[in-house]
Amino acid sequence: DADVTQTPRNRITKTGKRIMLECSQTKGHDRMYWYRQDPGLGLRLIYYSFDVKDINKGEISDGYSVSRQAQAKFSLSLESAIPNQTALYFCATSTSRTGGTEAFFGQGTRLTVV
Amino acid sequence: KNEVEQSPQNLTAQEGEFITINCSYSVGISALHWLQQHPGGGIVSLFMLSSGKKKHGRLIATINIQEKHSSLHITASHPRDSAVYICAVADTDKLIFGTGTRLQVFP
Repeated sequence: DADVTQTPRNRITKTGKRIMLECSQTKGHDRMYWYRQDPGLGLRLIYYSFDVKDINKGEISDGYSVSRQAQAKFSLSLESAIPNQTALYFCATSTSRTGGTEAFFGQGTRLTVV
Repeated sequence: KNEVEQSPQNLTAQEGEFITINCSYSVGISALHWLQQHPGGGIVSLFMLSSGKKKHGRLIATINIQEKHSSLHITASHPRDSAVYICAVADTDKLIFGTGTRLQVFP
């Protein structure tokens, strides 16, 4: 089993629908991140969380929200999906024990908004 | 100007060739990552380094902190090395990513 698991792996949804992407990890890491990847652009940070009670906006948080339900679970929600949110989404983890410099990624969720 | 610049953006090679991918950055960092992304989309960490050089199999990564530059080398390239290679730098809290280098190795 993967250390960082994202569900679903692929999703097609309609404009205006609410959708949740889920991420769970078995690494025991305290830090979790959501990124999106668009063609020709580097991964961009949406939200990050350093522990269950800590949530921080990244560079492109508009239109997204997150929930850190437990140390091992970090969910990303699109309250009202729009086509320009079509992208590949990655969850990642790291640990403050190594200064947060290591990174472990999930397999990605390919989201298409039509 | 992006804080992390990779070159080249695209690279094609014949099997067996020596490959070099470069990464320059403009911010202070605590570490630098080289990541590999295969066509299926998943991202795998190849190296994390903060100084000097690391080697794993046919892959070698070097970093020059003073020049803010890192290189990823692939010796004796193989078609299975075809992927996107991403450089990412770590500040204290987050990673900043380059746009990636798409490598295709032909038999």
